[in-house]
Amino acid sequence: QSALTQPASVSGSPGQSITISCTGTSSDVGGYNYVSWYQQHPGKAPKLVIYDVSNRPSGVSNRFSGSKSGNTASLTISGLQAEDEADYYCISYESSSTYVFGTGTKVTVL
Amino acid sequence: EVQLVESGGDLVQPGGSLRLSCAASGFTFSSYWMHWVRQPPGKGLEWVSRIYTDGSRTPYADSVKGRFTISRDNAKNTLYLQLNSLRAEDTAVYYCARGDLDGYFMDVWGEGTTVTVSS
Repeated sequence: QSALTQPASVSGSPGQSITISCTGTSSDVGGYNYVSWYQQHPGKAPKLVIYDVSNRPSGVSNRFSGSKSGNTASLTISGLQAEDEADYYCISYESSSTYVFGTGTKVTVL
Repeated sequence: EVQLVESGGDLVQPGGSLRLSCAASGFTFSSYWMHWVRQPPGKGLEWVSRIYTDGSRTPYADSVKGRFTISRDNAKNTLYLQLNSLRAEDTAVYYCARGDLDGYFMDVWGEGTTVTVSS
């Protein structure tokens, strides 16, 4: 149950695109299409933005997209906006029927 | 409105116990897997445990296995987490979250309840 690896911080200017990576192993990210992503603003509960690698819940902006290649999943935010400034976490189901979160990424809008 | 409301967080001494509750409303509670997730102050999210619809299949994170117990009362639409043998490193905000119908992601979250373990 080692945490998935995410970059500590990613930044971009308004309107730009950024990508956050989430690296695990063949026992979690690489073994299942059960990676989801959560946005968390300070002092608030997490909010689901992507599920099952690349699906977007209703009500979430289509500027958020997800993908996976091998043991690494990615979250891309296009057309970056000030409201996107938050912490982002990935989570994957893993082979022991448990789940493991990523280390978290702070997104800064310059 | 779909809603989850946690309660029961408190200041407790090391070695002590606590029971957290999560009251669900606005959906058919008995049809959904449920999760507990925690977040230590200033740190990232940590998955704690999940429970199947009928209360079976309850995996735990290694960090809490043998000390924490997840349970549910579908008649009361309530999820529980019993915390025993508490340690300083269990200090965190504890969130309950609804799993999707297959259980693999969490689509609804509560606002959390704070557990502080300190002497």
